Parts: sequence; structure tokens; C-alpha cells
Amino acid sequence: EPEVTQTPSHQVTQMGQEVILRCVPISNHLYFYWYRQILGQKVEFLVSFYNNEISEKSEIFDDQFSVERPDGSNFTLKIRSTKLEDSAMYFCASTPRFGETQYFGPGTRLLVL
Amino acid sequence: AQSVSQHNHHVILSEAASLELGCNYSYGGTVNLFWYVQYPGQHLQLLLKYFSGDPLVKGIKGFEAEFIKSKFSFNLRKPSVQWSDTAEYFCAVNAMDTGGFKTIFGAGTRLFVKA
Repeated sequence: EPEVTQTPSHQVTQMGQEVILRCVPISNHLYFYWYRQILGQKVEFLVSFYNNEISEKSEIFDDQFSVERPDGSNFTLKIRSTKLEDSAMYFCASTPRFGETQYFGPGTRLLVL
Repeated sequence: AQSVSQHNHHVILSEAASLELGCNYSYGGTVNLFWYVQYPGQHLQLLLKYFSGDPLVKGIKGFEAEFIKSKFSFNLRKPSVQWSDTAEYFCAVNAMDTGGFKTIFGAGTRLFVKA
């Protein structure tokens, strides 16, 4: 069964550094999402992406964040200058049609020191 | 703004006990409703979903949920839990009328089943 994959599984970085989290959505899916889950807290929506542009973003997704689909298969989340509070598990998800079940990747655990 | 409320943050049950986890949402339009489960150390997986039709939906592992539109609720049930059901359960809503593309998650309910 096809699945969403994410790399790396864990990343440790220094405050102020840039990080890029990578996701490979399921190949025939058209809608892509990033969520984050701070340890012990709920899953929070960051951004959705469709037709090569951001469809919607939350208040968390400020100018420090950006997303890109550089090559038709990868879907990346970049944090330009990480802060301590960016430490979280970041989940990518994809879905073939709007409103359908989202298929989640295993997540990238980001730790900012 | 849309929101999803899960009534219990932590639930502790003994094996074979019945389970009901509450979920209420606030949105007046058409919604798609989901329950996801996150087992310890694993990623989110779909338990069941409701799009339309029969408001009583059955999912994997013996779980079911009932959509009650008048109460804006989508409660999750299982008649007899097992130790392996220990996990965190998230209710989620996808609003269809806004043109938005996001899913709003509840805060989650952590279920611990005692063997």
C-alpha cells in the first residue's frame, strides 16, 4: 500500500539555523499539508498546498516558514531561523481530493537547542 | 472559527470495559468527520470517517462512531476495549463550505487500558 514518507526521522539543530523537512506524498495525491505536534499537545495545522501554491495557512505559519514542491514528488517545509519553540513533531499529509482522508507520514521530530 | 472539543483528556479503563470518547465541533456547514489514532511511538492512522449517509460508521478494530448533526457530535465507541487499544485518539473535522483546505484536530484523548 502506498504511504507518505518523511525524512529525516529526527533532526537536532541550533537556534537560528535553517532546517528543511522533506516529505514524499502518495504519488497520485493532489493536496498536501504540514502539521506539527508539540510534545504532549494537540496536532496543529500549519499549511495546505494545492496546485503549486499555498491554499491556507494558520497563524503559526509566519514568515519564518515556507513550503515548496520543487520537483513534482517532494514537498518540503523550511524553517528559516529556528526558535526553541519550533521543537515538535512535524507531520506531512496528503490526500487525493479535497475533504478526503488525509494520509499521514511518520513525522520528523525536530529538536531546537 | 471552527473548533473541535474532546471531552476527556485522559481515560483509564480495564480490558473488556466499554469505551465512549466524546467529540463536538463548532461549524454550521457541511463537514467531513474523522477519528485518528496514534499508538505509542507511531504516526497518526485513520480509525474511521464520516462523509455522508448512515450516521453510524464502523471503522477498524471494532471501533464505531455516530454522527449526530443536531448535537454537532461525533462520538467514538467500542464495546470491549483491549490492552492494545492504549493510544491517543484524535477527533478531526474538515469543513467543506469554506473553500479552505485544512483539518482541525481536537486536543486528543489519551486512553490507557489496564490488562
